[in-house]
Amino acid sequence: AQSVTQLGSHVSVSEGALVLLRCNYSSSVPPYLFWYVQYPNQGLQLLLKYTSAATLVKGINGFEAEFKKSETSFHLTKPSAHMSDAAEYFCAVKKTGANNLFFGTGTRLTVIP
Amino acid sequence: EPEVTQTPSHQVTQMGQEVILRCVPISNHLYFYWYRQILGQKVEFLVSFYNNEISEKSEIFDDQFSVERPDGSNFTLKIRSTKLEDSAMYFCASSDQRGTTDTQYFGPGTRLTVL
Repeated sequence: AQSVTQLGSHVSVSEGALVLLRCNYSSSVPPYLFWYVQYPNQGLQLLLKYTSAATLVKGINGFEAEFKKSETSFHLTKPSAHMSDAAEYFCAVKKTGANNLFFGTGTRLTVIP
Repeated sequence: EPEVTQTPSHQVTQMGQEVILRCVPISNHLYFYWYRQILGQKVEFLVSFYNNEISEKSEIFDDQFSVERPDGSNFTLKIRSTKLEDSAMYFCASSDQRGTTDTQYFGPGTRLTVL
């Protein structure tokens, strides 16, 4: 079965510091991977998605993620955190041929001024 | 920018009561989904809907649940007889395509509290 694991339910970084949110996937076939963000009182918004076209995926708001098959990882990064990045981040996977997303447990990012 | 909307934002109900959660998907989308998130747990898929019928459903989506598109804009999730364990945030989503790489657009969620 395909699933994702997000290490760290809470991550705190200083404003301007590197953001690294971890996601590892479990899949026997190449997965399709997604990062969603949820700002307070809002819905889940797609940040970026990996569809096997390129291993380094750039998303909105300066975020990017790199698909590493050898590490079964799809970590989300941003070089410099901004206060507006404070939110909950969800990694998700979709299995080939299916429509439904399988989500991780989420990581709450706090940005310290 | 088009968005998915959900009402109400918070619903409180007594155990055993019926609840209907409402969603208005993005207008030109054809594929609709419900997910839920129990507090502290993962977001879980419930059901997908296309062309007026269920296309996929999870084990969670038992006979207590039903979905409907009663008109051209609304998409509803009904829970017939709520249980305490149905307390969760329910998210509606829609997409304009069906496929592994399509993007699902999510609403802000309805928090259901069953007392």
